[in-house]
Amino acid sequence: GDSVTQMEGPVTLSEEAFLTINCTYTATGYPSLFWYVQYPGEGLQLLLKATKADDKGSNKGFEATYRKETTSFHLEKGSVQVSDSAVYFCATYETSGSRLTFGEGTQLTVNP
Amino acid sequence: DAGVIQSPRHEVTEMGQEVTLRCKPISGHDYLFWYRQTMMRGLELLIYFNNNVPIDDSGMPEDRFSAKMPNASFSTLKIQPSEPRDSAVYFCASSFSNYYGYTFGSGTRLTVV
Repeated sequence: GDSVTQMEGPVTLSEEAFLTINCTYTATGYPSLFWYVQYPGEGLQLLLKATKADDKGSNKGFEATYRKETTSFHLEKGSVQVSDSAVYFCATYETSGSRLTFGEGTQLTVNP
Repeated sequence: DAGVIQSPRHEVTEMGQEVTLRCKPISGHDYLFWYRQTMMRGLELLIYFNNNVPIDDSGMPEDRFSAKMPNASFSTLKIQPSEPRDSAVYFCASSFSNYYGYTFGSGTRLTVV
């Protein structure tokens, strides 16, 4: 079945630093890829998605590009803010599996 | 759209008691998922429904757990009897045809003492 491997956390950055959270996946076909964010005390929220190779998902200054050749979907942001402190989950969806497969999550803390 | 609504937000109960968690999915969504989140195990899929029919309950930990979806706008997750190791945050999520991503509720934080 599908699996998702995320960069181990926690990640601690200073405000305005550059962020990268790595995500790689294994899948039998060509899955859709997602990043979810979970703020303290809340449920997961869809942050961005990409449905085919070379697609770039973007939202709130975050970006991730679907790289089929490296089976990766790394999350990036050029300048993080304190309000970006949260847990970030990478996920894949394949029709054959008919459900999302989540990574373990990466805790991000941004200090002022 | 009010999103996925879960109740209660917090539940504290004594070991051995029955606990019922409730979920109202987004209108028009045909998939509903129940997840459990703990520090030790992370996010675990317990069960999911398609058009009110349970599709995969292989994540349900044991017979003490049961879930129902009597109609398209309501689902319950029941634990009977509850145990301290059931303490976790339980999330409900719904989606349209499973392809466009899930919308999660705010969760129910369950504490069994």
